[in-house]
Amino acid sequence: GAVVSQHPSRVICKSGTSVKIECRSLDFQATTMFWYRQFPKQSLMLMATSNEGSKATYEQGVEKDKFLINHASLTLSTLTVTSAHPEDSSFYICSARDRPEAFFGQGTRLTVV
Amino acid sequence: AQSVSQHNHHVILSEAASLELGCNYSYGGTVNLFWYVQYPGQHLQLLLKYFSGDPLVKGIKGFEAEFIKSKFSFNLRKPSVQWSDTAEYFCAVPRGNAGNMLTFGGGTRLMVKP
Repeated sequence: GAVVSQHPSRVICKSGTSVKIECRSLDFQATTMFWYRQFPKQSLMLMATSNEGSKATYEQGVEKDKFLINHASLTLSTLTVTSAHPEDSSFYICSARDRPEAFFGQGTRLTVV
Repeated sequence: AQSVSQHNHHVILSEAASLELGCNYSYGGTVNLFWYVQYPGQHLQLLLKYFSGDPLVKGIKGFEAEFIKSKFSFNLRKPSVQWSDTAEYFCAVPRGNAGNMLTFGGGTRLMVKP
């Protein structure tokens, strides 16, 4: 199946710094990618839809200025957690659809200390 | 819009026991349903999917699911679980007009005791 690669898999950062997470579709083009967040012992929650060449669409309650999304090419979307705080610590997962299936990155575990 | 709910949050089984995880969906037109699995430390993988046709869908690793329209259900089953099936299982439906995004159920954490 198609491959979605996410980097880094783990990151620890200091409170107040920014962290960038990359999501790449390795063998297919994805005009749309999706960013999910998974809290401990909870399900995946869609944060935003990343659209190549245009602005991302954010879910209700997700701060646009906090979670910056850039989808500069058909194979790369980035999520930047700006001015990270401990409550941003979570597992972030990206996804891209190569119809009819959705493929997921390995996830990034962000810990903000 | 479609949504899904999973009633079992935690399931503990012994090896060789039979498994059934519940998934109920809300009606919203054409029904496409997915089961994903997340093994510890790994990314989500597709177990199986239903788009149309035979309501009994067979997936990888001996899993199957049955789409029962009258019950709005798509329960995941495996006749005999193994320790390696310890994972978190998510039921999902497409979301939005284009159906590109997925809405996930709350997930079921399965622990299989050796």
